[in-house]
Amino acid sequence: DVKVTQSSRYLVKRTGEKVFLECVQDMDHENMFWYRQDPGLGLRLIYFSYDVKMKEKGDIPEGYSVSREKKERFSLILESASTNQTSMYLCASSLRGPDEQYFGPGTRLTVT
Amino acid sequence: QQPVQSPQAVILREGEDAVINCSSSKALYSVHWYRQKHGEAPVFLMILLKGGEQKGHEKISASFNEKKQQSSLYLTASQLSYSGTYFCGTEGRNAGGTSYGKLTFGQGTILTVHP
Repeated sequence: DVKVTQSSRYLVKRTGEKVFLECVQDMDHENMFWYRQDPGLGLRLIYFSYDVKMKEKGDIPEGYSVSREKKERFSLILESASTNQTSMYLCASSLRGPDEQYFGPGTRLTVT
Repeated sequence: QQPVQSPQAVILREGEDAVINCSSSKALYSVHWYRQKHGEAPVFLMILLKGGEQKGHEKISASFNEKKQQSSLYLTASQLSYSGTYFCGTEGRNAGGTSYGKLTFGQGTILTVHP
């Protein structure tokens, strides 16, 4: 079974803090993705990576950065958290190309 | 640009059928369908890669009209377990012909099945 894990289920941070969200997959997948999910807006892609050290912007990259130093780990970084980044963050991975994506359980981030 | 799903919500009784549509404004390489139950992560249902392709998964099937840039998800003889939010994810064609599986998801369709 593919497993995608995220470092925290719930996180509360203050405005201006630097926030790290970690995602790990255990199936040697090439592709990894970060989404945010907000009511009525569906899942929106923030960044994705198709190989180690490779990253591509998604549809809403502003205010975020990512890091992929190892194949199994993909980190999302909020350099200076703001209240409008309060959201559910979902990580996903896929083997390659247009394969099915496996999602982690999500991190509900609240920025106060 | 996000694909548009319709309807936004649908309520069924067990055994009834439903169709969820997904329309894109751009040429598509693939369409994915996922279901998310409340409080859980989205779960993959199926991928459609070729125009006109139809796929089935138990009593859930889907079609892909490449020309119209649309996909439809068909749920027949619905069960209580079908309740959840359904998302289509689309990947546009690019000049290089490669795919990274970069999906743009619709806003979701909430399906509720009552006994």
